Order: sequence, then structure tokens, then C-alpha cells
Amino acid sequence: SQKIEQNSEALNIQEGKTATLTCNYTNYSPAYLQWYRQDPGRGPVFLLLIRENEKEKRKERLKVTFDTTLKQSLFHITASQPADSATYLCALAVYGNNRLAFGKGNQVVVIP
Amino acid sequence: EPEVTQTPSHQVTQMGQEVILRCVPISNHLYFYWYRQILGQKVEFLVSFYNNEISEKSEIFDDQFSVERPDGSNFTLKIRSTKLEDSAMYFCASSASQGVRQPQHFGDGTRLSIL
Repeated sequence: SQKIEQNSEALNIQEGKTATLTCNYTNYSPAYLQWYRQDPGRGPVFLLLIRENEKEKRKERLKVTFDTTLKQSLFHITASQPADSATYLCALAVYGNNRLAFGKGNQVVVIP
Repeated sequence: EPEVTQTPSHQVTQMGQEVILRCVPISNHLYFYWYRQILGQKVEFLVSFYNNEISEKSEIFDDQFSVERPDGSNFTLKIRSTKLEDSAMYFCASSASQGVRQPQHFGDGTRLSIL
């Protein structure tokens, strides 16, 4: 069966350090992978999109890598700040589909 | 910055009743979506809509669900005869082009509580 796995345990990290989150998938051949941020009681907010032929994408303090051989994406927040505390969702999309398939999300808590 | 708006923010309904959730997508977007998120679970795709018709739907989107774009701005999700397991957050999203190649912009959801 198709699975998108993100760490269920919250990541507690000291302010200023780099947070790294993992998204692993099985039985998917994603054309695109997107990362979203979700705050409690709010809708997901788009952060970054990476295509299957791209290895890495950056936006300000955020970096995403995509390894289709390992079937894994890593999401990095450098110089983390308390305002980065949220749940981060990995979402896959395959060619020919309109749907995004989401992982359950990984909570990040940045400690001042 | 333009945003997707959803109303109501919270809807409480008796089991078996019909409910309509409303969304105003971003004005120049062409693709519209509904997702739901049961408490503590992942966000799940329900349906996508383009050019006034459903372009894709999930196995969750059965005959009790329907979507409509009644005018140039609103996009609605109707649940005909609600069940207890329909209790969830329902998110509307829109995108400028096919959503998997572009960001999807989400509203803040309607929390649906079925009693």
C-alpha cells in the first residue's frame, strides 16, 4: 500500500539550531513534492515545491532535498526561531493527478 | 495577499441533516479542491474541480457529497445526510493552474461537528 511517513515524535530544538525533518514514501512515484506548514486550528500554508528531477531547493532559511532513489525528502530550517514552531507537512503529487497526498506531519518546537 | 476564505468557521449539525460548507477561492485561480482532516489525523483529499466539473475524487467522496460553483466566486461542498464520522475540519484550497505543479492555497477550514 502507499505510505507517506513523517516522524510522529515532536522535534524539540534550541533557537538558532538547524531543524531537519524527514519524509519517506513507499509505492509512490511522485512527480512533485511539496512542504506545508500548519499551525493549530489553521489551514496548511505552502512553503516549498521540488520536482522529481531537482535535488535541492532553497527559500530563505528553508531547504528541501528530494532523493527519488532513497524515496525520501529532507526539510531543513536553519537558524530556527520560536516563530518556526508548527507542524510541517510533506505532500506528494503524481503525474496525471490533481490530488496532494499528505503525510501526517511532524511537529517542531523551537525553544528560546 | 489574496486568500481563500471559508464560512462558517464552525458548524454543529445533527446526524442525518444536510450541511453546506462555503468557500471563496482566490479570484484568478482556476482549480479548486476540498480536503478534510479528522482530529489528529492527516489531511485527506476529497475532490478537485476545474472548468465547472469534478476532475478527480477520492474514495471518501461518495454519493453523500457534492460540490458546486454556483456563481463566479463561491465554491461549496454539500454533505447530504451527515454521519458521526463526518466530523472533521474541512479545508478548501485553490490553485492558479494544475495544483500538483503549483502551490495550493488553503483556507483556515470549517470545523464540522456532527451530534
